[in-house]
Amino acid sequence: RKEVEQDPGPFNVPEGATVAFNCTYSNSASQSFFWYRQDCRKEPKLLMSVYSSGNEDGRFTAQLNRASQYISLLIRDSKLSDSATYLCVVTSPWGQGGKLIFGQGTELSVKP
Amino acid sequence: IAGITQAPTSQILAAGRRMTLRCTQDMRHNAMYWYRQDLGLGLRLIHYSNTAGTTGKGEVPDGYSVSRANTDDFPLTLASAVPSQTSVYFCASSDGRTTDTQYFGPGTRLTVL
Repeated sequence: RKEVEQDPGPFNVPEGATVAFNCTYSNSASQSFFWYRQDCRKEPKLLMSVYSSGNEDGRFTAQLNRASQYISLLIRDSKLSDSATYLCVVTSPWGQGGKLIFGQGTELSVKP
Repeated sequence: IAGITQAPTSQILAAGRRMTLRCTQDMRHNAMYWYRQDLGLGLRLIHYSNTAGTTGKGEVPDGYSVSRANTDDFPLTLASAVPSQTSVYFCASSDGRTTDTQYFGPGTRLTVL
């Protein structure tokens, strides 16, 4: 089983749609959780951190359920510029090098 | 402009040749990382360094070596390249805490023939 698993995608949605991405992780000792965004052939960039209480940044809402080891990202009112691959990312405890463990990513394509 | 730079941008290399991918950051971050990204496999950690003078192995270290002589530089060396090392390589850095954002360089696209 992969350490971080995401919806396979791709997601093709019209502008203005609401889209949700799901992610599960296997290591219950994982400490930090993030969503990164990666545009085609570019480097990953942090979209937002994910907290147990849930957090919102404009049109983006992230949720964490530690009991179920589940992370989600909701994008409301999708824009063409939201087209990208969204990476679910989990860290191991610092003793393991503070490494980021990446999901395979879910591709989003927003159409006019 | 502050950030991470990588060189070269892309490279085609004959199998068996030695190659060093360069990575430099000017953010005075303690930790640096090397990842490779392959279709269907996502990003995988090759080697990391928590502070200057220390390095550690990641998920896929075989065939690669690193050094961290100072804070800013973290070169990745392929001693004898093989076709399976064809990939996109990303260098990243962070302050080193697990809650910290990792900042990525623009990547090096390496093709081993």
